[in-house]
Amino acid sequence: QKEVEQDPGPLSVPEGAIVSLNCTYSNSAFQYFMWYRQYSRKGPELLMYTYSSGNKEDGRFTAQVDKSSKYISLFIRDSQPSDSATYLCAMSADYGQNFVFGPGTRLSVLP
Amino acid sequence: DAGITQSPRHKVTETGTPVTLRCHQTENHRYMYWYRQDPGHGLRLIHYSYGVKDTDKGEVSDGYSVSRSKTEDFLLTLESATSSQTSVYFCAISESLVTDTQYFGPGTRLTVL
Repeated sequence: QKEVEQDPGPLSVPEGAIVSLNCTYSNSAFQYFMWYRQYSRKGPELLMYTYSSGNKEDGRFTAQVDKSSKYISLFIRDSQPSDSATYLCAMSADYGQNFVFGPGTRLSVLP
Repeated sequence: DAGITQSPRHKVTETGTPVTLRCHQTENHRYMYWYRQDPGHGLRLIHYSYGVKDTDKGEVSDGYSVSRSKTEDFLLTLESATSSQTSVYFCAISESLVTDTQYFGPGTRLTVL
């Protein structure tokens, strides 16, 4: 079992839909969580960064962490074609430890 | 890409040849990282540096070496390239240790025939 798992997709949704992207993990010590967006043939860029459990909102994006279920989510409201990209989750157990990345979910938002 | 350049952007080489990839930053960040990205595996850390001449191994360091003689440059060397090292290589930088935001370069696509 991989340490961090993501549904690879592709996930196709119509413009304006609410998108839910998810990661599950096995290491209960993880407490730092990130979501990155990666456009085709580009480097990843940070979208959201959360520590421990709870929700964090930034514009159309909401990150949720449920440590009891070892499950994190990224919600995108009012999705746009410009949101079409691969979304990577990443997590770390403690300060100073390197992040473990999920394999990514490819999202297509259709106009 | 936050003042990070990678060179070359594309390279095709043959098995057994040495290859060096360069990462250059203009942000004066202390930490620099090399990752490889392969389908189904996401990003995996190869090596990272926490200062000039200070480096450490990551998850997949076998077959790779690094050097950092200046704050702005971090070199990744494949001493004798193998087909399993065909991948996209990303450099990243951060101001503080890995829990800080990492900024990624545009990537180098390496093919080993």
